[in-house]
This record gives sequence, C-alpha cells and structure tokens, in this order.
Amino acid sequence: DVKVTQSSRYLVKRTGEKVFLECVQDMDHENMFWYRQDPGLGLRLIYFSYDVKMKEKGDIPEGYSVSREKKERFSLILESASTNQTSMYLCASSLPTSYEQYFGPGTRLTVT
Amino acid sequence: QKEVEQDPGPLSVPEGAIVSLNCTYSNSAFQYFMWYRQYSRKGPELLMYTYSSGNKEDGRFTAQVDKSSKYISLFIRDSQPSDSATYLCARGYSGGGADGLTFGKGTHLIIQP
Repeated sequence: DVKVTQSSRYLVKRTGEKVFLECVQDMDHENMFWYRQDPGLGLRLIYFSYDVKMKEKGDIPEGYSVSREKKERFSLILESASTNQTSMYLCASSLPTSYEQYFGPGTRLTVT
Repeated sequence: QKEVEQDPGPLSVPEGAIVSLNCTYSNSAFQYFMWYRQYSRKGPELLMYTYSSGNKEDGRFTAQVDKSSKYISLFIRDSQPSDSATYLCARGYSGGGADGLTFGKGTHLIIQP
C-alpha cells in the first residue's frame, strides 16, 4: 500500500520561529510537492522537486524554502513563521510522467 | 482570473440522486484534467483523469471535458452517503505531472441518507 507520511498532524508555533515540516514517501517516486490548503483559497502549490537536490518554485513560494537530500524525503521550511502561514500543509508525491499524486494526511500548522 | 474555477458549495442532494459537479478553466492550452476527492481530515486522492475532450467512465463516476466551452464535469450516479466529501478539479500541462497541479477551490458535497 502506497504511503506518504508527514511528521506531525498538528503543530503550534510562535511568530518568528523556524519551522520544519517533514514528508516521507515509500513509493520511490521522483516527484514531490508541498501545497497549502486554506478555506476559500483551495490547494496552492508552494514548491516541488523532481529529483534529489532539485527544487522548483510553485505559485506561492514566498516565506518558504525546501530541502531534498534523499529521494524519499522532502522538507518544507518556514524560516521565520508568521501568522499568515497558519494553514493546512499537504505533501504529495508522484512518478515523473503521472498526474496521480499521492497525498499525505496533512499537517495543520497554527502560528500564534 | 484563476485558472480553474469551481463553486465551493455546499451541494446537498438526497441519496440515489445523480450529482453534477462542474469547473471552468481559462487556458485552452490545458489538456489534462483531473478530479480528486478529499474526505474530512484526509489528503486528496485521485478519482479520475481525462485527456483533451470527451467522456471517461469508471463505475458510478463519469468525467466529461468540453473544450469548446472550457467546461469540466463530474457526474456521480446512484449517489451514496459515502460519496460525501470535497471534490477538487485540477488541470495539468501536457508532458507529465512534474510541474505540479493547479486545483479549483473544491466543491463540498453532502449526500443525505
């Protein structure tokens, strides 16, 4: 059974803290993605990676960075968390030529 | 204009009814269209995808693309309470999914027993 796991289901952080969100997939997928999901705005792509050490900006990369040191792991980093980054964060992975993305359960991040 | 527009609902229908969910898109260059289903507190999962225009059927679900009107539809026959979820349409560029997907905002569907 394919699986994408995210390090935390719920996270509460303070403004200005550095935040790491971890995502691991066990399907040997090349592509990995980070989205955020907000009421009224839907799912928006933050960053994606199509190979180890490769990264590409999505639609809303400001305030975020990513790291992919191993094929199975893709990390999202909030360098200095702000309240407008309170959101549900979803990680996904896929094969290179497939539109079928497998999503993790999400991390609900609250920044106070 | 957002690339993919979708009415957020909620859409409430009685069990057994035929459900029609719709999206419009702005760029005629889009060729791949997908429907994802998301249950509460879960990540989205792919239901169906279609290429270009026409219909695709899978059990009780039919996906339809009308390129002339830039309209994407998902029909659910014999709807069940277990179909209650948020349905997200998405588009991709040709050449594979490496560049990520652009999603509509999602339609919240409620099937009343």
